[in-house]
Amino acid sequence: GEDVEQSLFLSVREGDSSVINCTYTDSSSTYLYWYKQEPGAGLQLLTYIFSNMDMKQDQRLTVLLNKKDKHLSLRIADTQTGDSAIYFCAESSMDSSYKLIFGSGTRLLVRP
Amino acid sequence: DTEVTQTPKHLVMGMTNKKSLKCEQHMGHRAMYWYKQKAKKPPELMFVYSYEKLSINESVPSRFSPECPNSSLLNLHLHALQPEDSALYLCASSQSSTGLNTEAFFGQGTRLTVV
Repeated sequence: GEDVEQSLFLSVREGDSSVINCTYTDSSSTYLYWYKQEPGAGLQLLTYIFSNMDMKQDQRLTVLLNKKDKHLSLRIADTQTGDSAIYFCAESSMDSSYKLIFGSGTRLLVRP
Repeated sequence: DTEVTQTPKHLVMGMTNKKSLKCEQHMGHRAMYWYKQKAKKPPELMFVYSYEKLSINESVPSRFSPECPNSSLLNLHLHALQPEDSALYLCASSQSSTGLNTEAFFGQGTRLTVV
């Protein structure tokens, strides 16, 4: 079945860039998403990219998609302490009835 | 308005109780979802409603009973739960459940504790 994998933890210094990586196995993935979850809260949709795109930029966020390698990354420029959270990568496709398949989440810790 | 509102925020219930979780959205979305999230895990899909009809049930035990009274509301009725059902229950909505516009917006969740 479909699988989405992420590294568990990332620590960066405030002001540096953060890069969170994700790999997926579903070759028919149509949509790829990044969600942010702060402690005790729901998921906030940060951005998404269609599988026919290579890159999407939205203010401090840059999403890169390498469809050949099935690799997705989220770059956060000028990382702030408020960016500390868990970041979930998710994919959906027609093959999975468009259900969101989540990765295990990457905990980002931003050090002052 | 990209808000999905869930009530209550916290709920403690006994194993013999009956309670309901509520979810509301006014974005005109026609797909609504229930997810269950255990600590340090990603959300797991439970149910999908599309145009007020149940379209996906991920083999959820019958002690969880979803209901979609109209296009803006989604309920989850709980009865005879077990302590292992304690989790964060998340509601989400999207414009549709298939094809384009499937990006889902989540509520803040209901933290459920079964004692």
